[in-house]
Amino acid sequence: TQLLEQSPQFLSIQEGENLTVYCNSSSVFSSLQWYRQEPGEGPVLLVTVVTGGEVKKLKRLTFQFGDARKDSSLHITAAQPGDTGLYLCAGATGANSKLTFGKGITLSVRP
Amino acid sequence: GAGVSQSPSNKVTEKGKDVELRCDPISGHTALYWYRQSLGQGLEFLIYFQGNSAPDKSGLPSDRFSAERTGGSVSTLTIQRTQQEDSAVYLCASSFTTSIFGSYNSPLHFGNGTRLTVT
Repeated sequence: TQLLEQSPQFLSIQEGENLTVYCNSSSVFSSLQWYRQEPGEGPVLLVTVVTGGEVKKLKRLTFQFGDARKDSSLHITAAQPGDTGLYLCAGATGANSKLTFGKGITLSVRP
Repeated sequence: GAGVSQSPSNKVTEKGKDVELRCDPISGHTALYWYRQSLGQGLEFLIYFQGNSAPDKSGLPSDRFSAERTGGSVSTLTIQRTQQEDSAVYLCASSFTTSIFGSYNSPLHFGNGTRLTVT
């Protein structure tokens, strides 16, 4: 079983603050994806990381894949209320293997 | 273009009744997933269809749950003799899996889910 643990489970911060959240596993993944989900909607892909040590930036969001491809982090700079949502990481062990999701991180950014 | 469509968007049923949930994936997508999400929780994997391969049913919680995918397109998730603990949002997702350098998954495109309430 490929277990993905996300931390912290809940995070409430003030607008303008920086934050980092984590996605960890004892398994090695060939790729890892981050999704954001808003209430009443399905998750939407933010980024896919494939190479160990890879860093990808999406505006104020910075994603990093661990060197050993077992973990990942998401850093948000100057958080905005629009960043509020459930952040999910998902890993796959091969091209056609199923994606396994973590339980998610609920982020609330207060104006 | 059209995204993943799920129907109904909401379903209220009485305990013991059977329900069918439908998913229309994006045309051409070879992979289709069903997940279950309880309030405020992450996604619980239920079943995975990939092309013509036998589906991965390892996530189905009991034999009351079944799913089929006809003609490699539309999928139906059936829950027989529903129980109150079956209440959740059922999400469907599809993807066009591909392989780059041997290890890459295309993104999942999710529908907005079916909210099932068992009374």
